[in-house]
This record gives sequence, structure tokens and C-alpha cells, in this order.
Amino acid sequence: SQQGEEDPQALSIQEGENATMNCSYKTSINNLQWYRQNSGRGLVHLILIRSNEREKHSGRLRVTLDTSKKSSSLLITASRAADTASYFCATDAGSGTYKYIFGTGTRLKVLA
Amino acid sequence: SQTIHQWPATLVQPVGSPLSLECTVEGTSNPNLYWYRQAAGRGLQLLFYSVGIGQISSEVPQNLSASRPQDRQFILSSKKLLLSDSGFYLCAWKVAGSSYEQYFGPGTRLTVT
Repeated sequence: SQQGEEDPQALSIQEGENATMNCSYKTSINNLQWYRQNSGRGLVHLILIRSNEREKHSGRLRVTLDTSKKSSSLLITASRAADTASYFCATDAGSGTYKYIFGTGTRLKVLA
Repeated sequence: SQTIHQWPATLVQPVGSPLSLECTVEGTSNPNLYWYRQAAGRGLQLLFYSVGIGQISSEVPQNLSASRPQDRQFILSSKKLLLSDSGFYLCAWKVAGSSYEQYFGPGTRLTVT
């Protein structure tokens, strides 16, 4: 079945540095989304990029999508301690579906 | 504005006992509803989703069932819990149709002992 896989599984950086995490998926999609999860909490939507878009920005977030490689990346610039969380990509299963498949996540730790 | 409620926040149940987790959404109509389970330190596993009252799609054959008795109410149940049912259960909704983001509830931490 289709599954997003993020890498790295874990990432530790210093405050102020940039954090990049990647997501790969297996089948064609309509859109790809990134979510953040603080420990023990629900997920929060960060950004959605459609299959006909190549790059999207939201504040300190930059998402790219390469449908030919079936991959996406999330860049967090000028990271803060508050960015410490797990980040997940989610892909829809193509046209006419209602479900999303989540990846395994990247655990980001930003050291103050 | 839309709000999603999920309860209880934590639950400890013995093996073989029944389960009922409830999720309700406010401020929207005819949402798509979802139940996910997350094992410790892992990704989300889609369990059930619903596009309308009484319409349930099951993704993983297991010891659980779901029901949608009202438009904005989604219930996850089990007749007899197994140890393997332990995990973090998340309810989510999105606007009907494709290409919309999901909104998640706060989750229920279930421990089966």
C-alpha cells in the first residue's frame, strides 16, 4: 500500500540553524501535506502542496514537491526551540479518494 | 469556527473489557471523519474513515469497529480489548471532497493491561 516515508528519522540541530526533512511516497497523488505533532498531542496541519505545484512557502516553512521523483522536502528556517516536535508527511491516495496515508515521521529536536 | 472534541484523554482498561471512544465535531456539516492509531514513536495508522452517516470504511481488519450515528459524531468501539489495542487514538475531520487538510483532536491514550 502507498506509504510516505520520512528521513531522517531523527534530527538534532542548534537553535537558529535550518532543518530539512524529506518524504518519499509510492503512487500518484493529488496533494501532499505536512503536519507537526508535539509530544502526546494531536497533529497540526502546516502546509498543503498540490501535485501541480513545485514549491510553497508559509512563514519560516518551505515545501518542495518533485512528482517525478515522488518526493517532498520540508525546510524550517531559523529554527527555534519551540519547533521541537515530530513532523509527518501525508499523501492522498489519488483522485476520488478520501483517505490520507501518513509517513513514519521525523523527530526534530532544536537545542537552545 | 470549527472544533473537534475527543474523550476521554486517557484510559486504562483490562484485557477483555469493552471500549467506546467518542469524537464530535462542531461548526461544520457533513465532514469526512477519521480514526487513526499511533503506536509509541511511530506514524499514524488509518483505522476507519466515514464520508457520511452510517458509511464506514475499514482500512485494517482488527478487533475494532466504528460507527457514525450522527453527522458530526464518530465512535470507535471494541467488544473485547486485546493488549495489542494499546496506543494513542486520534480522531480527525476534514471538509468533504479532496485536497483539504485534516484537523485532529487531542487524542486518547489507551493502555490495555
